[in-house]
Amino acid sequence: RKEVEQDPGPFNVPEGATVAFNCTYSNSASQSFFWYRQDCRKEPKLLMSVYSSGNEDGRFTAQLNRASQYISLLIRDSKLSDSATYLCVVNKDQAGTALIFGKGTTLSVSS
Amino acid sequence: DTGVSQDPRHKITKRGQNVTFRCDPISEHNRLYWYRQTLGQGPEFLTYFQNEAQLEKSRLLSDRFSAERPKGSFSTLEIQRTEQGDSAMYLCASSLGAGGVYGYTFGSGTRLTVV
Repeated sequence: RKEVEQDPGPFNVPEGATVAFNCTYSNSASQSFFWYRQDCRKEPKLLMSVYSSGNEDGRFTAQLNRASQYISLLIRDSKLSDSATYLCVVNKDQAGTALIFGKGTTLSVSS
Repeated sequence: DTGVSQDPRHKITKRGQNVTFRCDPISEHNRLYWYRQTLGQGPEFLTYFQNEAQLEKSRLLSDRFSAERPKGSFSTLEIQRTEQGDSAMYLCASSLGAGGVYGYTFGSGTRLTVV
């Protein structure tokens, strides 16, 4: 089983749609969770951290289910500018080995 | 500019040549990471430093790869006897501590093409 697995995508949605990405991780000792965004041929950039209680940042909502080792990202009212690859990221433990990245799910929002 | 800087942005080299990349992290960040990314894949961890100490190396980091961070500031990644399979984007990132809350900040990467 891969350490971090994501929906393969791509997701093609119209502007204004709601889209959800799912991610599972294999190491139950993982402590830190993130979603990164990566535009074509650019570096990954932190979109949001994911907290146990779930958290929201504008149109973006992240959820964590530790029992199921599952992370999700919900994007509401999609914009053209949301088109990118979304990377699910997990830290092995708080003591800090490196972040492990999923393969990414590509979102394309069309008008 | 207080971001992570990588140099060069692009490198084309012939198979068998050696290449060296440089990364300058955010100055107050004590951790520095190297990742490799190929098309359609997420970044794959190579190695990381805390200050000048190299604390972990991935099994992806073959004997042809070596990384240094001699004074705990900038880092270099050298690939000896390059192979076509080394063609990828090499990303450097830095963090303050383990990056458990704020994640990492990435540089723009060095795109290596081995011909």
